[in-house]
Amino acid sequence: DTGVSQNPRHKITKRGQNVTFRCDPISEHNRLYWYRQTLGQGPEFLTYFQNEAQLEKSRLLSDRFSAERPKGSFSTLEIQRTEQGDSAMYLCASSLIRGSTGELFFGEGSRLTVL
Amino acid sequence: GQSLEQPSEVTAVEGAIVQINCTYQTSGFYGLSWYQQHDGGAPTFLSYNALDGLEETGRFSSFLSRSDSYGYLLLQELQMKDSASYFCASPGGQNFVFGPGTRLSVLP
Repeated sequence: DTGVSQNPRHKITKRGQNVTFRCDPISEHNRLYWYRQTLGQGPEFLTYFQNEAQLEKSRLLSDRFSAERPKGSFSTLEIQRTEQGDSAMYLCASSLIRGSTGELFFGEGSRLTVL
Repeated sequence: GQSLEQPSEVTAVEGAIVQINCTYQTSGFYGLSWYQQHDGGAPTFLSYNALDGLEETGRFSSFLSRSDSYGYLLLQELQMKDSASYFCASPGGQNFVFGPGTRLSVLP
């Protein structure tokens, strides 16, 4: 399968714990995006990488959130000291730069539940 | 910054035609995309308009008017499987901003 892969698919944690999500994009894609989505809402932009460089980060993202994309391949999103408000679906998407057709390829998401 | 607005819900019957509108305000505009998301699934790409006019892909068409900051998704010959949420999105600048989504319910 050459689609976008996310792990874990589901994570249940207690408030205050740290969690990390991984995203493996489509191999030739330069751009990688992280989104957060809650029920009934659209995907909310969190951050964006072009190759290994993190080019933009949402102002809504607190400093408890950090993302990396070492070597420009897979990416990780870490949430420290989780809060109940962090419960959401975390979506990863990737795309090409050249010949952009406005298309993002999404993974199936990682659902976080903070108790 | 960027913001997009869509109606929250639309209901139509099987076989009908439905139009989902999207208005936007952006500081930089690079076109309008449309995505479909079924409950529990990931968003999937439907269409993209970089220029004004109509783009047709099977039963789905998308329209863009830059002068009006407006676009729409047109779904024809509705089927039950079209029941889903539909998002307009703008690949502006570095990030990619999504609208709040329109939930389409197709009735038999």
